[in-house]
Amino acid sequence: DTEVTQTPKHLVMGMTNKKSLKCEQHMGHRAMYWYKQKAKKPPELMFVYSYEKLSINESVPSRFSPECPNSSLLNLHLHALQPEDSALYLCASSQVLPGVNYGYTFGSGTRLTVV
Amino acid sequence: GENVEQHPSTLSVQEGDSAVIKCTYSDSASNYFPWYKQELGKRPQLIIDIRSNVGEKKDQRIAVTLNKTAKHFSLHITETQPEDSAVYFCAARGNTPLVFGKGTRLSVIA
Repeated sequence: DTEVTQTPKHLVMGMTNKKSLKCEQHMGHRAMYWYKQKAKKPPELMFVYSYEKLSINESVPSRFSPECPNSSLLNLHLHALQPEDSALYLCASSQVLPGVNYGYTFGSGTRLTVV
Repeated sequence: GENVEQHPSTLSVQEGDSAVIKCTYSDSASNYFPWYKQELGKRPQLIIDIRSNVGEKKDQRIAVTLNKTAKHFSLHITETQPEDSAVYFCAARGNTPLVFGKGTRLSVIA
């Protein structure tokens, strides 16, 4: 299995809703990432998990709450979002080896619309 | 932190011509430079990458060159085809997660 699977593919939520985005990979990658991508912009890093521990939080508002239950799963819990949070949310994973950098495998993304 | 600049932002070429996209980076610790292709509404996909111990890498019609001294790297696509039309992102990483350039929208005109 060489894919990163994200669900749902599309999500419309109100500003008072609570929802979760899910990401799964079975490639044995021990680093997982959440990115946010607005139209015509590059992916923007939100969170990094390394060996299931949060290692980077790029000053993301607390209405976004990540969770890594195990080495294959990554969740992003959403609460009280704003319309400007509407975007494509991409999950990615990569291998982790000391002194060696690897590229990321991206999931297909969740297109989120906040109304 | 790392900063990656990418040029041009848009590029139109005739089918069969070559396309070149250039990126510069700021952090001398960066040692891994991937290129991603993103078609409309789809995920970024890794198309080629290069490490800092290599000056050039080729895969069929695409090639990447790296000049560590000047801190710049380039993507070359030869014999372009309409299906090459997409947004291309360069990226760099060393001790930090990948930092992306702003992207180049490539249009191949048949």
